[in-house]
Amino acid sequence: DADVTQTPRNRITKTGKRIMLECSQTKGHDRMYWYRQDPGLGLRLIYYSFDVKDINKGEISDGYSVSRQAQAKFSLSLESAIPNQTALYFCATSDLQGSPTGELFFGEGSRLTVL
Amino acid sequence: AQSVTQLDSHVSVSEGTPVLLRCNYSSSYSPSLFWYVQHPNKGLQLLLKYTSAATLVKGINGFEAEFKKSETSFHLTKPSAHMSDAAEYFCVVSAPGGTSYGKLTFGQGTILTVHP
Repeated sequence: DADVTQTPRNRITKTGKRIMLECSQTKGHDRMYWYRQDPGLGLRLIYYSFDVKDINKGEISDGYSVSRQAQAKFSLSLESAIPNQTALYFCATSDLQGSPTGELFFGEGSRLTVL
Repeated sequence: AQSVTQLDSHVSVSEGTPVLLRCNYSSSYSPSLFWYVQHPNKGLQLLLKYTSAATLVKGINGFEAEFKKSETSFHLTKPSAHMSDAAEYFCVVSAPGGTSYGKLTFGQGTILTVHP
């Protein structure tokens, strides 16, 4: 089984719908992240969480919200999806103690299409 | 503040020839630098990392990168390309201090194509 699991892997939805992307990890890491990947733009940070009570906005948080339900779970929500949120979304984790330099471990991605 | 620029959006090589993927960075602190690889329909995987130890870093699958502070570069190389190296590669910088502590900044990515 994958250490970082994202669900769903693919989702097609309509404008205005609420969407939740879920991420769970078995690595025991403190830090979790949500990134968005668009062609030619690399990965951009949406939100990150250094522990259950610590949630921070990344560089492109508008239109998104997150919930850190437990150390192992970090969900990303789009309250009212719009077409320019069509992208590949990645969840990632890192271990503050083991990798203070920021090495990340990624899930396999959730491809979201908003029509 | 930190930033990273990958100088080529696409690189095409023949199998068995050398690979060079170029990356320049900017950071207010002595950075940590990474190369990640993404194969189609997969998540990103760490290839190698520089964390202020040896400036020549060896990674998986025969890749290596050299940290050159004077040139603010961290280019990725491989002596002989293999078909399985075809993927997208990301150069990433992480600041050990300041407001960006623990956060990674990704380059735009370089798509490597390997021809038979």
